Amino acid sequence: NAGVTQTPKFQVLKTGQSMTLQCAQDMNHEYMSWYRQDPGMGLRLIHYSVGAGITDQGEVPNGYNVSRSTTEDFPLRLLSAAPSQTSVYFCASSPNRGAGNTIYFGEGSWLTVV
Amino acid sequence: GQQLNQSPQSMFIQEGEDVSMNCTSSSIFNTWLWYKQDPGEGPVLLIALYKAGELTSNGRLTAQFGITRKDSFLNISASIPSDVGIYFCAGPSTMKTSYDKVIFGPGTSLSVIP
Repeated sequence: NAGVTQTPKFQVLKTGQSMTLQCAQDMNHEYMSWYRQDPGMGLRLIHYSVGAGITDQGEVPNGYNVSRSTTEDFPLRLLSAAPSQTSVYFCASSPNRGAGNTIYFGEGSWLTVV
Repeated sequence: GQQLNQSPQSMFIQEGEDVSMNCTSSSIFNTWLWYKQDPGEGPVLLIALYKAGELTSNGRLTAQFGITRKDSFLNISASIPSDVGIYFCAGPSTMKTSYDKVIFGPGTSLSVIP
């Protein structure tokens, strides 16, 4: 069972470059989200989606875009990478909106911006 | 927005010792969740609590939903090396504008000395 799959696992970007972190889930979950994890900050919500065609901002949305054209995919785009976006990014999915007890996380994407 | 605080920030214990950590908020939560993150992986749900005063166990782990609904506690008995990781508390937001958001605390990092 694949669950939540994120790619790439590691990426180094130069300041100003753009890139997309891919996320796919095969559990037919309606709710998907992106978190970033920084030392001492825990997991902070970037963007989330309650279903195909619907997205909304989380706690730290600036510098990131998302789209949800299908139930399975929820890519995260960095338009112009900055060193402050160096972090570990986690994609997550859940069958229920706002129900943290059924959140499934991907394995993470380590991003370094130099 | 709502925030969660966790203490201690980090712990170093001897194998076999019991562990206690807690999570607090200035606002109430209706659900408390405890996740564990192993090094290099995404968080995984340990215990979910749904009712004030509730005490729930999962093997050597026991968690309690505080009576005030503003705190929760996690205890680990007889720690073993595989307990190493970061423990996060989390909960679905109770703010009307944020019902779809799941809030995570900053985490407690646990190290077990064999």
